[in-house]
Amino acid sequence: GAVVSQHPSWVICKSGTSVKIECRSLDFQATTMFWYRQFPKQSLMLMATSNEGSKATYEQGVEKDKFLINHASLTLSTLTVTSAHPEDSSFYICSARDVKGWTNEKLFFGSGTQLSVL
Amino acid sequence: AQTVTQSQPEMSVQEAETVTLSCTYDTSESDYYLFWYKQPPSRQMILVIRQEAYKQQNATENRFSVNFQKAAKSFSLKISDSQLGDAAMYFCAYVGGSEKLVFGKGTKLTVNP
Repeated sequence: GAVVSQHPSWVICKSGTSVKIECRSLDFQATTMFWYRQFPKQSLMLMATSNEGSKATYEQGVEKDKFLINHASLTLSTLTVTSAHPEDSSFYICSARDVKGWTNEKLFFGSGTQLSVL
Repeated sequence: AQTVTQSQPEMSVQEAETVTLSCTYDTSESDYYLFWYKQPPSRQMILVIRQEAYKQQNATENRFSVNFQKAAKSFSLKISDSQLGDAAMYFCAYVGGSEKLVFGKGTKLTVNP
């Protein structure tokens, strides 16, 4: 089956620094990728929708300048947490949708990134 | 906006027994998909089963089946012959015209040996 690779799986950074998380579709093209945030023992909350070649669409309440999303190619989207603070500590998950359409076979999740900000 | 409600924060089942996880949703759309995802301790999201709203037949995947009641906006998941490896968080999810996947809050399933 299709694979979405997410890096890094775990990162610790100092408060005030920036962290970049990568989401790659390894064997298919993804025009659309989604970024989610998950707090401990909670559900996934959609942060933004990333479309190749255009600006990301952010959900209400998500700071665009804090969470920079770039989708420069059909196989790569990145999420940069800028000037990270302890409250940004969370589990971040990406998912990618194949260009062919919207079915279960065409949406794939990365393995997630645990961000801890000291 | 569409909402997904899972009213059971936690459930437990004995190994080899059957358990049903509940999910209701609210939407005004007629064309949509419903999903059950499993999230084990590794936190990798795993698709368990999918249902298209236009299909009346309930989806089945081996030991997993759903009871889809479109008029009642209900979408429950039945796990038969429960195994220790079924222990995980289970999320019900909806996607419609907005193409955004909306998740419920999840149900933590414990399987007792």
